[in-house]
Order: sequence, then C-alpha cells, then structure tokens
Amino acid sequence: DVKVTQSSRYLVKRTGEKVFLECVQDMDHENMFWYRQDPGLGLRLIYFSYDVKMKEKGDIPEGYSVSREKKERFSLILESASTNQTSMYLCASSFSKAYEQYFGPGTRLTVT
Amino acid sequence: KNQVEQSPQSLIILEGKNCTLQCNYTVSPFSNLRWYKQDTGRGPVSLTIMTFSENTKSNGRYTATLDADTKQSSLHITASQLSDSASYICVVSSTPSGTYKYIFGTGTRLKVLA
Repeated sequence: DVKVTQSSRYLVKRTGEKVFLECVQDMDHENMFWYRQDPGLGLRLIYFSYDVKMKEKGDIPEGYSVSREKKERFSLILESASTNQTSMYLCASSFSKAYEQYFGPGTRLTVT
Repeated sequence: KNQVEQSPQSLIILEGKNCTLQCNYTVSPFSNLRWYKQDTGRGPVSLTIMTFSENTKSNGRYTATLDADTKQSSLHITASQLSDSASYICVVSSTPSGTYKYIFGTGTRLKVLA
C-alpha cells in the first residue's frame, strides 16, 4: 500500500514564525503536491513538484515556498506565518500526472 | 472558468438507506473524474475513477455514473452504514495546453444515523 506521511497532525505556531511542514511518500512517486483545505472552499493547490528540485506554483502560492531535495520528501515552508494561514494542510503524491493521488493524513495548523 | 459543483452540501440519512450525491462540472478539456471519501481529520481516499468513455463504475456499495454530454456525475451509496459518514469529494482532471490540473469540488458531507 502507498503510504504518505506528514510530520505533524497538529501544529500551533505564532505569527511571524517560520514553519516547516514535511511530507514523505514510500512508493517512488514522481509527483508530489501540497494543498490547503478550508471549510466551504475545498482543496486548493499551493505548490506541486514533478521531479526532484522541480517545483511549480499552484493556485495560491503566496506566502509559501517548497523544497524537494529527495524524491520521497516534499516540504512546505511558511516563511512568516500569518493568522490567515490557519488551515488543514494536505500532502499528496502520484505515480504520474494521470494517476490517482494518494493523500497524507493532513496537518492542522493554527497560527495565533 | 473550470468549476466543479457538488450537491447537496450536506445530507443526513438513516442507516440502511440509499443516497445519491451529485457532481456537475464545467471543465475543459476533460481527462477523468474521481470520487474521494474523506473521513473527519483524515486525507481523502479514492473510491472510483471514470474516463470519458465510461458510464458506470462500482466499488462495493459505491456506484459512480458519468454523463459526459451533460457534464454530470453521481455517486450512489447503497445500504448505507455508519462508517459511510464522511465528506465525498468530486475531482475532475484536465489537461489544458499539455499541463495537468485537478479541479476539486467542495464536497458533500454525509451523516449516517443509527
């Protein structure tokens, strides 16, 4: 079974802090994605990566950056956390662009 | 504008009853359509995937239909169980200009009562 793990289930940070969210997949998938999920808005794509050291902006990249130094690991970075970044963050991976996305359990981030 | 709309937003049914969730989309070009189940506090898990030429796809008690002409899909749940309580998300994939995009609906929250 594909397994996508995220470093934390719950996280509380203060405004202005730099926040790192880590995601690891164990199926050698090429593609990895970061989403945020807010009530009534559905999942919105922040960034995605089709290969190591490759990244592309999604629909809402402002205030975020990403890093993919190894194929299995994709990190989301909040450079200076703000209260409007309080959300559920979901990581996903897929074998290729047309294939099913497998999601991690999510990280619920609260910025106070 | 590419959009995926789901209805109803929420639904409450009694255990053992059937229900149908709707997904209408205005996505072009269309690649495929997936239904995901998301338990509270968890990541979504794929239930079915349908391509342009497929009308019906089943996964146990879940049956998805697709009408590519009217751009509508439905997810029918038969003999509901308490464990079916979750959000159900419709996702349409598109391949504009060689890229690949996933367009997510906002989901239907289903509650099954004993």
